[in-house]
Amino acid sequence: ETGVTQTPRHLVMGMTNKKSLKCEQHLGHNAMYWYKQSAKKPLELMFVYSLEERVENNSVPSRFSPECPNSSHLFLHLHTLQPEDSALYLCASSQSWQGAQPQHFGDGTRLSIL
Amino acid sequence: AQSVAQPEDQVNVAEGNPLTVKCTYSVSGNPYLFWYVQYPNRGLQFLLKYITGDNLVKGSYGFEAEFNKSQTSFHLKKPSALVSDSALYFCAVRDGDDYKLSFGAGTTVTVRA
Repeated sequence: ETGVTQTPRHLVMGMTNKKSLKCEQHLGHNAMYWYKQSAKKPLELMFVYSLEERVENNSVPSRFSPECPNSSHLFLHLHTLQPEDSALYLCASSQSWQGAQPQHFGDGTRLSIL
Repeated sequence: AQSVAQPEDQVNVAEGNPLTVKCTYSVSGNPYLFWYVQYPNRGLQFLLKYITGDNLVKGSYGFEAEFNKSQTSFHLKKPSALVSDSALYFCAVRDGDDYKLSFGAGTTVTVRA
């Protein structure tokens, strides 16, 4: 148990669907992150939130829309995705978005675009 | 700019033998270095970090890593590998003045019985 819970664990959707990924952290952390993990590639940082404020949008296409209603919850809203968006999406949290504290990861959502 | 290189896609060792996973980094300031492990169908788990101080850092599950500033390396080591250590290992670096954590592409470790 990492203290970071992601749902759903698996998601299959068509290119015209709209779906949302959910992340919840029980660690009392102030920063939350979305990463994309594709096979044989380094993790790609997508978004960073600190105390519900977005501090980074790492050139992510607008078909991905994050939402952080409070410091414990993070969502990633998906619409009109492309086949190349199929990947493992990881949520992480840390005590602060700056400094040396490690990030704690959820188990991810495996997304498949038909 | 910061970057991490893991020169080996795959490392194979026999159980009981020493395990080393290599990592080199590039930062413009002072590095914060991390190792994570990922088991199948799971997220990344934090193993250890180097911020400052002793160059040899000890972490979870008997792993340790040695920071070498002159070689800009942070290799992960375990004196005696277990079959259960088979997993995907990621090295990561943060420039002390930056908030981004940059990951290597990962090294798959296979420990055979």
